[in-house]
Amino acid sequence: EPEVTQTPSHQVTQMGQEVILRCVPISNHLYFYWYRQILGQKVEFLVSFYNNEISEKSEIFDDQFSVERPDGSNFTLKIRSTKLEDSAMYFCASSATSGSSEQFFGPGTRLTVL
Amino acid sequence: DAKTTQPTSMDCAEGRAANLPCNHSTISGNEYVYWYRQIHSQGPQYIIHGLKNNETNEMASLIITEDRKSSTLILPHATLRDTAVYYCIVRPGGASNTGKLIFGQGTTLQVKP
Repeated sequence: EPEVTQTPSHQVTQMGQEVILRCVPISNHLYFYWYRQILGQKVEFLVSFYNNEISEKSEIFDDQFSVERPDGSNFTLKIRSTKLEDSAMYFCASSATSGSSEQFFGPGTRLTVL
Repeated sequence: DAKTTQPTSMDCAEGRAANLPCNHSTISGNEYVYWYRQIHSQGPQYIIHGLKNNETNEMASLIITEDRKSSTLILPHATLRDTAVYYCIVRPGGASNTGKLIFGQGTTLQVKP
């Protein structure tokens, strides 16, 4: 069964450093998403991406964040200058035919900012 | 998007049906009810969704009241692997929907042997 994959599974970085979290969505999916979950808190929407552009972003997704689909398979989230409060689990998701279809989530990348 | 209310936690005996309620009294006509679950910090997993008719798939059944103000997710024969946080989410359908999912705190279902 096709699945969303994410790398790395765990990333440790120093405050102020740039990180890139990588995702490979399901191959025929057209809509892509990033969510985050701070430890012990609820899952929060960050951004949705369709047709090579951001379709919606949350207040969390400020200028420090960017997303890119550099080739036909990868979907990345970049945090330019990490802060302690960026420590969280980051989940990538994809969906097939429209924004209303079910989303398939990856296993997540745990980001730890020291 | 309409707000949902779920109990914080529930227990269920293994092999019995788990019935998870959700209130969404402000739901509007074009909003669907979705259910996802999250098993111990894994990525959320889609379970089922519906608009107004009851729905069933290999994982669960979704019962939506006639006035659509509440729904119940039914896991017919709960197993220990169904222990998870279950999220009821209401969001619009249609091509204009960007797909954003707004997660609440959900219901922590503990299936006990």
